[in-house]
Amino acid sequence: SQTIHQWPATLVQPVGSPLSLECTVEGTSNPNLYWYRQAAGRGLQLLFYSVGIGQISSEVPQNLSASRPQDRQFILSSKKLLLSDSGFYLCAWSVGFGGEKLFFGSGTQLSVL
Amino acid sequence: AQSVTQLGSHVSVSEGALVLLRCNYSSSVPPYLFWYVQYPNQGLQLLLKYTTGATLVKGINGFEAEFKKSETSFHLTKPSAHMSDAAEYFCAVGSSGGYNKLIFGAGTRLAVHP
Repeated sequence: SQTIHQWPATLVQPVGSPLSLECTVEGTSNPNLYWYRQAAGRGLQLLFYSVGIGQISSEVPQNLSASRPQDRQFILSSKKLLLSDSGFYLCAWSVGFGGEKLFFGSGTQLSVL
Repeated sequence: AQSVTQLGSHVSVSEGALVLLRCNYSSSVPPYLFWYVQYPNQGLQLLLKYTTGATLVKGINGFEAEFKKSETSFHLTKPSAHMSDAAEYFCAVGSSGGYNKLIFGAGTRLAVHP
């Protein structure tokens, strides 16, 4: 069966520090991968998606970047965190296109202080 | 472009009462519509989805939703609320193209009181 792992579960970082969140998927090949952010009291915002190794599409301009070094690995990074980067980050995967559902990881609560 | 509007950021019902969570969408192409549920500090789980065919969709935990094209709506209902239904619910819209880039609404937090 397919599983998605996301870590760490919680993270507290000072402003200006770097960030690296990792997500891995098991039990499937060539998944579409996504990073969403959920800010307090707001919905989910799609940050990045990837349809293959090294292929990253950014949905919104921001202080973050994403990379996909391996088929089932998706990394969210920042060189210098801002206060506004605080939020709940969710990794997700899907196969195919259109009506296929997303499978979400358990999320990372990031607090930038 | 696609968008989703969820009416009511907070909904409170009594246990055993009808649950109605409202979702309206905008899409220039035939939409795929989803409802997801999120329990505290967890990821999202799919409740149900509409792609094509029957407009009344049944999901898990007794929830169902009806796609009404004329009203551009996809409201989520459950006849009788249970305490365990307390969570945040998200409506999302996608389409046949675009690599499953779902656009989510802002969410509705459902509280169920005894």
